[in-house]
Amino acid sequence: KNQVEQSPQSLIILEGKNCTLQCNYTVSPFSNLRWYKQDTGRGPVSLTIMTFSENTKSNGRYTATLDADTKQSSLHITASQLSDSASYICVVSAGYSSASKIIFGSGTRLSIRP
Amino acid sequence: NAGVTQTPKFRVLKTGQSMTLLCAQDMNHEYMYWYRQDPGMGLRLIHYSVGEGTTAKGEVPDGYNVSRLKKQNFLLGLESAAPSQTSVYFCASSSPTRDRVHEQYFGPGTRLTVT
Repeated sequence: KNQVEQSPQSLIILEGKNCTLQCNYTVSPFSNLRWYKQDTGRGPVSLTIMTFSENTKSNGRYTATLDADTKQSSLHITASQLSDSASYICVVSAGYSSASKIIFGSGTRLSIRP
Repeated sequence: NAGVTQTPKFRVLKTGQSMTLLCAQDMNHEYMYWYRQDPGMGLRLIHYSVGEGTTAKGEVPDGYNVSRLKKQNFLLGLESAAPSQTSVYFCASSSPTRDRVHEQYFGPGTRLTVT
C-alpha cells in the first residue's frame, strides 16, 4: 500500500534555531517528492520538488534531501523565524503522468516560539 | 493573476441539504482536483479532472459529484450532506512539467460544517 509517514507530528522550537522534519514513504513506482508549507487556514504552498535523480533542493532557508534507496526525505529549516510556524506536508507521487496517485502525509505542525 | 480561488470560504449545512462548491483557476491548467482535509490526516482525493468535460473518482468519492464544464472551473456537489462530510475542502490545479511532475497549486479552502 502506498503510504507517506511524517515525523514528528508536532515540534516546538525557539526562534533562530534549526530543525529537521522527516518523511518516510512506501510508494511505488516513485515519481517525485514535494514538500509543502500550510499556514493555518490556508491552502498548501509548494516549497520544493525533487525527482528520482535529485538528492537535494534548496529554497531559501529550506533545504530538502531525498534518499531514494532508503525511501526517506528530510526538510531542514535554518535560522527559524516566527513566520515558519505552519504545518509542513510531504507529498509523494506514484507513477508518471498519474494525477490520481498523489499521496499526502499527515504533516508536521511546527511552532516557533520567540 | 488570482491563482486558484474557492467559494464560499465557510458554510454550515443541515443534514440532508445540498450545496455546490466552486473552484476557479486562471493558470490555464489542464488538471483540477478536489481534496478534503480532516484533523490528523493527510489530504484525501475526492474527484479529479484531467481536462474540460472529463472527471474521475479519487480515494473518497462517495456522497460527492463533480462537473468540469469549463476548463477554468471545477464544481463539487454534495447531494445530501451528512455530518461525516464536515471537513475543510481544498481545490487544486496543475499541469505536468517537462519531467511529467504535477506541481499543484491550492486554493484557500472551504470550511464546511454539517449539523
